[in-house]
Amino acid sequence: EFVLTQSPGTLSLSPGDRATLSCRASQSVGSNYLAWYQQKPGQAPRLLIYGASSRATGIPDRFSGSGSGADFTLTISRLETEDFAVYYCQQYGRSPALTFGGGTKVEIK
Amino acid sequence: EVQVLESGGGLVQPGGSLRLSCAASEFSVGSYAMFWVRQTPGKGLEWVSALRHSTDPHYADSVKGRFTISRDTSRNMIYLQMNSLRAEDTAVYYCAKDLVSGDGLWLPGSWGQGTLVIVSS
Repeated sequence: EFVLTQSPGTLSLSPGDRATLSCRASQSVGSNYLAWYQQKPGQAPRLLIYGASSRATGIPDRFSGSGSGADFTLTISRLETEDFAVYYCQQYGRSPALTFGGGTKVEIK
Repeated sequence: EVQVLESGGGLVQPGGSLRLSCAASEFSVGSYAMFWVRQTPGKGLEWVSALRHSTDPHYADSVKGRFTISRDTSRNMIYLQMNSLRAEDTAVYYCAKDLVSGDGLWLPGSWGQGTLVIVSS
């Protein structure tokens, strides 16, 4: 079974801080088909990053993705108030099934 | 603006059925892979089903044999027929389209706002 483990579960930071979120896969993610989503309360997930490091349309450049193989990172360089949300990583393209990580909540300290 | 809009959620008894609808705007559902993803209250995301633009549908093991995804290109709609519903199917159900058309990336790029399904007696 393919599993994505996100850490930490919760990140308590202040506006202007740098946020580093981790996503570790139980097996190598082929072709770096790893995406990141942002979800705010009562809203649908929004695609931020795909292909491990490509920003989706309209996503600010303070969001960046990196990593390969089984270890991936989402970095938010300077947190804005609107960035406090839950972030999910997701593997795609591996098989018909899509797998999501359990999420990291970025909360205001 | 590309949009998907879900409808059809509600309260249903265990063992009952429900059909969710997903209306697409500004793109053709026949040109993109389409997905259903659910989120249980306060918890994470779970892929449910998907339909490529040119191949057979796919289902998560948890819903296989009970749920059916379908497409009506004349109405530009996607449907999820849910039968033999269980309490654990209670969730917000999201419809999403692939980021890229055709064979695509198999990546949900644009999501609707979701529709809530509650399975309870």
